[in-house]
Amino acid sequence: GQQVMQIPQYQHVQEGEDFTTYCNSSTTLSNIQWYKQRPGGHPVFLIQLVKSGEVKKQKRLTFQFGEAKKNSSLHITATQTTDVGTYFCAGPDNFNKFYFGSGTKLNVKP
Amino acid sequence: DSGVTQTPKHLITATGQRVTLRCSPRSGDLSVYWYQQSLDQGLQFLIQYYNGEERAKGNILERFSAQQFPDLHSELNLSSLELGDSALYFCASSRRPSGTDTQYFGPGTRLTVL
Repeated sequence: GQQVMQIPQYQHVQEGEDFTTYCNSSTTLSNIQWYKQRPGGHPVFLIQLVKSGEVKKQKRLTFQFGEAKKNSSLHITATQTTDVGTYFCAGPDNFNKFYFGSGTKLNVKP
Repeated sequence: DSGVTQTPKHLITATGQRVTLRCSPRSGDLSVYWYQQSLDQGLQFLIQYYNGEERAKGNILERFSAQQFPDLHSELNLSSLELGDSALYFCASSRRPSGTDTQYFGPGTRLTVL
C-alpha cells in the first residue's frame, strides 16, 4: 500500500537555527497538505500544495512540492520556541484514503 | 478552537469492553474523518464519511465500526477492546469529501484500555 515517510524523525535545534523536514510518498499525490501538532494538541492545518514544483511561503515557513508530486519539504528559517511541535505531511490517494506522514518532531532550545 | 467537538475527552476501560466515541463536525461541514494516533506515532486514517455515506476506508479493524447520522455527527464504535487499542482518537471534518479540502481536527478522545 501507499506509504508516506518523513525524515528526520526528530530534530533538536538551537533557537535561531534553520530546520527542514522532508516528506516522500511511494506514489504520486494529487496534493500535499502540511499540519502542525503542538505537544498535547491536535493537528492544525498549515498549507496545501497542488501544482508540481509549487513553492509557497508563510512568514518564516517555506513549503515545496516536488516536480513528480511524490515529495515535499518544509523549511523553517530562524526557528523560534513557538515552532516546537510535530510537523506532518499528508495527502490522499486515488481512492480518497488520506495518508499522513510519520511526522518530524521539532524541539527548539532557547 | 477548530469548531469540531469530541466527547468524551478521556475514556478508561477494560479489555473486552465496548466504547463509543462521538464527534460533531464544524457547522456546514459534511465530511467526517476518524484517525488513530498511538503514543508518539503518526496518524492512521480509519474511515471517512460524507453526508451519511461511507466515503473511504483505511486501516480500520473489523472490531471497529463507525457511522454518520442525519444531523452529521459521527460515532466510532470500538468493541472487544485490546490493550493495543489504547490511543488518541481524532475526528476531523471538512466541507467537501474531496482530498483537497482542509481538515479541521477536534481535540481528540484519549482511550486507555487496562
